[in-house]
Amino acid sequence: DAMVIQNPRYQVTQFGKPVTLSCSQTLNHNVMYWYQQKSSQAPKLLFHYYDKDFNNEADTPDNFQSRRPNTSFCFLDIRSPGLGDAAMYLCATSRVGYEQFFGPGTRLTVL
Amino acid sequence: AQTVTQSQPEMSVQEAETVTLSCTYDTSESNYYLFWYKQPPSRQMILVIRQEAYKQQNATENRFSVNFQKAAKSFSLKISDSQLGDTAMYFCAFTTGGGADGLTFGKGTHLIIQP
Repeated sequence: DAMVIQNPRYQVTQFGKPVTLSCSQTLNHNVMYWYQQKSSQAPKLLFHYYDKDFNNEADTPDNFQSRRPNTSFCFLDIRSPGLGDAAMYLCATSRVGYEQFFGPGTRLTVL
Repeated sequence: AQTVTQSQPEMSVQEAETVTLSCTYDTSESNYYLFWYKQPPSRQMILVIRQEAYKQQNATENRFSVNFQKAAKSFSLKISDSQLGDTAMYFCAFTTGGGADGLTFGKGTHLIIQP
């Protein structure tokens, strides 16, 4: 089945230790998104790629970076995680003008 | 700035009843898309229904339907014959930019279906 896959599902890191979250898709969608969802809150867009074009939200901290090496894969890099970065990270994909399909999320714990 | 407001933090109804979740939004754009997403305890975000702003007809998907009032900037979700599996957080969401921009979400409504 065509789908959005996120790895790992659970990630534990130490304060200040870089971490990379992975997202892959078999839907061949040209747009990929990263959202941060903290407990009991709505998802918040961090950035998205329209093909190779990177679009950063104005209030996304510099600590968060992203890479999209090809159509299928997108990575979220957190350079120096703080306690406030503990959250669920959701990856989504879409074709332009259509709904977004979400992966199952990666729950990040920062110790 | 675009905003989405869901005024009901939590709702509870009996199984088989009909329930309506409210959503209002604010935008100066004329072309946009509206969605309802469901997020059960697993945290998997699942699309319930979508509505293009240029379409006057309200979208329907089986037991789920919307009441889209463009002039009032209102987009409510009606769930008919509610089932236990409908228990979840429901988020109203909005996007513009021809549909390539990210979603702006409301704060969500926690819907509980009682047996």
